Amino acid sequence: AQTVTQSQPEMSVQEAETVTLSCTYDTSESDYYLFWYKQPPSRQMILVIRQEAYKQQNATENRFSVNFQKAAKSFSLKISDSQLGDAAMYFCAYRASGSRLTFGEGTQLTVNP
Amino acid sequence: DTEVTQTPKHLVMGMTNKKSLKCEQHMGHRAMYWYKQKAKKPPELMFVYSYEKLSINESVPSRFSPECPNSSLLNLHLHALQPEDSALYLCASSQDVRGQNYGYTFGSGTRLTVV
Repeated sequence: AQTVTQSQPEMSVQEAETVTLSCTYDTSESDYYLFWYKQPPSRQMILVIRQEAYKQQNATENRFSVNFQKAAKSFSLKISDSQLGDAAMYFCAYRASGSRLTFGEGTQLTVNP
Repeated sequence: DTEVTQTPKHLVMGMTNKKSLKCEQHMGHRAMYWYKQKAKKPPELMFVYSYEKLSINESVPSRFSPECPNSSLLNLHLHALQPEDSALYLCASSQDVRGQNYGYTFGSGTRLTVV
């Protein structure tokens, strides 16, 4: 069974600084996708970034980028130039073909002004 | 339209009430999902509909009854709930249950309180 582990229940960062959220996963599949979702107090789960396992190049979306290490089964999220609006719960998620989306336990990110 | 719309946003109901949650999407997605989420926890899958047919029921108590009247609409009927059922109920959709490409699109949820 696939599992997703986020070892940091809480993280904090100063505004304008950079923070990295960790995620590891376990799978026997070779073809899968990885996602980071953001859930602010408004409750909606917002897709931040996704990574195809077959792509070696790390995905980037503006201030958000990932460090995807397939052999190590690691998928960390880097947030650059942190903003107050980045404060949220961040969930790492995994999905292989034909399977459901599997979430990690989440990391609560606080951004300090 | 790239949204999943859930109504109502908040719901307070007694243990003897019957109520329904509604979810709607117009992205042409053929898979729709109900999740239950407790505070500071990841969403827990409840039901999956694929092409308007129930494909997964995660052993959810019968006091929760899902319905998919058409490809754009998903309902969750609630009856005789317990206080421990109080949670955020999220609806999500995806292109289909097999394709993993784009993850899921989530609604903003219904905050349910059972009194």
